Amino acid sequence: AQRVTQPEKLLSVFKGAPVELKCNYSYSGSPELFWYVQYSRQRLQLLLRHISRESIKGFTADLNKGETSFHLKKPFAQEEDSAMYYCALKKTSYDKVIFGPGTSLSVIP
Amino acid sequence: NAGVTQTPKFQVLKTGQSMTLQCAQDMNHNSMYWYRQDPGMGLRLIYYSASEGTTDKGEVPNGYNVSRLNKREFSLRLESAAPSQTSVYFCASSEGDSWDEQYFGPGTRLTVT
Repeated sequence: AQRVTQPEKLLSVFKGAPVELKCNYSYSGSPELFWYVQYSRQRLQLLLRHISRESIKGFTADLNKGETSFHLKKPFAQEEDSAMYYCALKKTSYDKVIFGPGTSLSVIP
Repeated sequence: NAGVTQTPKFQVLKTGQSMTLQCAQDMNHNSMYWYRQDPGMGLRLIYYSASEGTTDKGEVPNGYNVSRLNKREFSLRLESAAPSQTSVYFCASSEGDSWDEQYFGPGTRLTVT
């Protein structure tokens, strides 16, 4: 079965430090991958998707098919980045989304 | 556009009681989803509806039923609530058959005592 893992439940970094939230998946095909974010007292929302290859709020994520990873990176963390981050996978365009367990990022001022 | 709306926002039930969580979207989306969010477990799919008139089980369907009333509305019913169903429930919708994003509702916090 397809699976998404996020090894860190909690991640704390200092403001201005680089941040990397890890995501690994198990699927032999070519999935579409997403990062969703949930800020405090806000709705879960899409941050970025693999197919767009764009940078949102300074975050980027590169799909590494060899390592089956889709890590989320930002060179300089900001306090407003503190949130819950979910990695998600979709096998095909017609399929449902599978979410990872989430990583809570805390940026220390 | 209100997006995805959910009612109620909070609910406390006693074991064995039943209730229905309501969800509606005004984006003319084909697909709708129900998730539960638990600490350390992330978001787990309960049921989804790829299009009006169809529903399918997700990862954790036991103890729940759903109804896709029309294209706009997708309800989740707990027939006999159990403490293990204490959770935050999220409804979401998406256009459906594309690499599209999901739009989430604000969530319902349910406590079963």
